[in-house]
Amino acid sequence: DAGVIQSPRHEVTEMGQEVTLRCKPISGHNSLFWYRQTMMRGLELLIYFNNNVPIDDSGMPEDRFSAKMPNASFSTLKIQPSEPRDSAVYFCASSVDTTTDTQYFGPGTRLTVL
Amino acid sequence: AQSVTQPDIHITVSEGASLELRCNYSYGATPYLFWYVQSPGQGLQLLLKYFSGDTLVQGIKGFEAEFKRSQSSFNLRKPSVHWSDAAEYFCAVGAYNNNDMRFGAGTRLTVKP
Repeated sequence: DAGVIQSPRHEVTEMGQEVTLRCKPISGHNSLFWYRQTMMRGLELLIYFNNNVPIDDSGMPEDRFSAKMPNASFSTLKIQPSEPRDSAVYFCASSVDTTTDTQYFGPGTRLTVL
Repeated sequence: AQSVTQPDIHITVSEGASLELRCNYSYGATPYLFWYVQSPGQGLQLLLKYFSGDTLVQGIKGFEAEFKRSQSSFNLRKPSVHWSDAAEYFCAVGAYNNNDMRFGAGTRLTVKP
């Protein structure tokens, strides 16, 4: 079983550039989550989807961040324009059910904004 | 909304010694509780979870945790730590019928030879 797939694994970009992070959840899973992990703030939930519909985006830091899930097998997290303070590891996770359940995490994307 | 506190940022134990990592939660109803482990450069992996029933739950890699409602705690234990257990451990709390899960700040475990 493939697990949650994230790409790229590492991204280095310059301030002001657009960044797109990608996630493929486990097949058959109905919920998808985006998290950000930093030393200062720990693991933060940014947004989650149930059945491809965004349910709670209150964790999205500001309008520069947007997330989409056009179908059950793909999601993107976009930052436009990027800033150095966006540097972090971004995790995608998925779970089978739309209620509280085990989340399966991808390996993460380490983003560095110069 | 629910929240989690992990009082210990960093713990060091000797290999073979017992381990207890503390977790306290805040939630008005019956919580759903989880422990995850994160090895360096990796995503989080579930160790165990509590939804209902027996308050002592067994997980993978020889870990167990006990839910104590009176203390709002869900401490993680292992009787004998192995060097490969060195990692960061996260406690998390979820609400019934709500996929919004909150993670603690994590406890970094170092294992001395």
